[in-house]
Amino acid sequence: EIVMTQSPALLSVSPGERATLSCRASRSLSNLAWYQQKVGQAPRLLIYDGSTRATGIPARFSGSGSGTEFTLTISSLQSEDFAVYYCQQYNSWPFTFGQGTNLEIK
Amino acid sequence: EEQLVESGGALVQPGGSLRLSCVASGFTFNDFPMYWARQTPGKGLEYVSAIDHEGGKNTFYATSVAGRFIISRDSSTNTVYLQMGSLRTEDTAVYYCARRYCGSGRCHASDVWGQGTLVTVS
Repeated sequence: EIVMTQSPALLSVSPGERATLSCRASRSLSNLAWYQQKVGQAPRLLIYDGSTRATGIPARFSGSGSGTEFTLTISSLQSEDFAVYYCQQYNSWPFTFGQGTNLEIK
Repeated sequence: EEQLVESGGALVQPGGSLRLSCVASGFTFNDFPMYWARQTPGKGLEYVSAIDHEGGKNTFYATSVAGRFIISRDSSTNTVYLQMGSLRTEDTAVYYCARRYCGSGRCHASDVWGQGTLVTVS
């Protein structure tokens, strides 16, 4: 099973600033997604294949990385962006998630 | 609108059984693999089962539920099921149904999710 590790667990950023979230895989992969989840809601797909934005996702969200190191960047935080973010690999079953990064308002 | 609606969550005793249902609408159900995932405060998000879009010939299970859960799909009603047996307290979670996005000959991540249904084993 591929283990996904996210850092940091908690990130405090001011609105309008940039947020950078990290995700590390226990082995190399190419199929990596990022999700946003708000309290009481289902996960929402933001990025797939490491860097492709899902339908309707604003351009301020971008994904990068390869191999075992991946990054989600939110260029200018809006109030609605404060949430928990998960990375997930779908290279091999069982597909696995990281433990999440809680992005909070500073 | 593409939508998934789960139902069937309940309070059940350890060792009991439960069947979850997920009805799809707004898209061609037979074109997409379908998944069940669950979420707990302690263990986070976990995919528990998957079924392909080729008539459901291929199914996949997490080690934690293999031999106890069965996934199936019914194209006549656009429904995916999760039959859960020998339930344990650690199966307590919110269970989500999700569609795997497929396009241009490839499949990617899960792009449509239901609202979730709560299963409590106690």
